[in-house]
Amino acid sequence: DAGVTQSPTHLIKTRGQHVTLRCSPISGHKSVSWYQQVLGQGPQFIFQYYEKEERGRGNFPDRFSARQFPNYSSELNVNALLLGDSALYLCASSWGQGNQPQHFGDGTRLSIL
Amino acid sequence: GNSVTQMEGPVTLSEEAFLTINCTYTATGYPSLFWYVQYPGEGLQLLLKATKADDKGSNKGFEATYRKETTSFHLEKGSVQVSDSAVYFCALSLAGGTSYGKLTFGQGTILTVHP
Repeated sequence: DAGVTQSPTHLIKTRGQHVTLRCSPISGHKSVSWYQQVLGQGPQFIFQYYEKEERGRGNFPDRFSARQFPNYSSELNVNALLLGDSALYLCASSWGQGNQPQHFGDGTRLSIL
Repeated sequence: GNSVTQMEGPVTLSEEAFLTINCTYTATGYPSLFWYVQYPGEGLQLLLKATKADDKGSNKGFEATYRKETTSFHLEKGSVQVSDSAVYFCALSLAGGTSYGKLTFGQGTILTVHP
């Protein structure tokens, strides 16, 4: 079975641009979460979606937004990119919205010039 | 707030040495605890978990016991291999409230194992 897949794997943008990152969860998983991992640090929670509704939001500015589609895939959008947005963006899926283990994709490496 | 603190790294060991990576947590409520491993260029893989006090999680020779009295979840392995070289993250999640399902991670510990 396919794991969590993310696209693209790498992306280079300039300040002020916007970006869309995509995630397909493991088949049967209904919850998708997004995390930002800055080099040398642990991942920081951005959003959780379950059954197409936002169920949790981390301490990130409104430039960050996300949505979940009927097939449970998800997009993360970031507007007005800043240098500090350079990071590995990780998507994780789980069957439900509770404390089930989350399964991570390999991430999208976003570099801002 | 909720937080996870891991021992300072990096940790460098010889093959077949004993490994301990310390992890302590602060949480309001009763968290589930996890260890994740990240190999270079990859995402995080779940290594083991424990959902209540005194539970022991184990996988691939790694073990960790949920100690409520010391709020700890230390990772151990009796004999490490070169292939265990990676970054290890301790994490917690809480049921209920606005933190529901959110993973809170420690800063990670880099492990390097030499032949």
